[in-house]
Amino acid sequence: DGGITQSPKYLFRKEGQNVTLSCEQNLNHDAMYWYRQDPGQGLRLIYYSQIVNDFQKGDIAEGYSVSREKKESFPLTVTSAQKNPTAFYLCASSIQGLAGGRETQYFGPGTRLLVL
Amino acid sequence: QKEVEQDPGPLSVPEGAIVSLNCTYSNSAFQYFMWYRQYSRKGPELLMYTYSSGNKEDGRFTAQVDKSSKYISLFIRDSQPSDSATYLCAMSVSAGNKLTFGGGTRVLVKP
Repeated sequence: DGGITQSPKYLFRKEGQNVTLSCEQNLNHDAMYWYRQDPGQGLRLIYYSQIVNDFQKGDIAEGYSVSREKKESFPLTVTSAQKNPTAFYLCASSIQGLAGGRETQYFGPGTRLLVL
Repeated sequence: QKEVEQDPGPLSVPEGAIVSLNCTYSNSAFQYFMWYRQYSRKGPELLMYTYSSGNKEDGRFTAQVDKSSKYISLFIRDSQPSDSATYLCAMSVSAGNKLTFGGGTRVLVKP
């Protein structure tokens, strides 16, 4: 059963704490992405990776970090520097590149992060 | 001003009606246009993709792009309660460029 999995479904963060969101795909896609979704603001790109051991900042990278040690995994860490982390976080992947048009981005089910 | 504008709704229609959704954008360089459907607490799924101007039909769904007006539309015919979701438009300059999303329109189809 191919697809993208994200865990956990819900995550609670305490003040000053770093938390890591998991994203795994078994679609053999080269490119992976992290988006943040806030009500009424659509999806905003945090980080993306087009190949293993390489990644680039998106539009709102401050307060976040990523790694891409394996093709199938792209974890996102929300650091204590991110002052407003409450949001719905979506991971996506595509065959290659920054997908647009025919090259579909497939999305995971998302992780909802809440601050205690 | 946002690069892509989309009315947040909610848009409420009776079952069987036509749902009409649209987005306006400011970047004339956009050439690829997509519509995603997102059910509550789920990830978006691609519904329609269109390159440049024109119409595209897929079952009950029709996507239209008017680049001269910087305006795209999605029509859903014979709407069903299962069509109740948030619909996101997205666009990009080229196939190798990042996607820019609208804020989404919430649609409610009442039986």
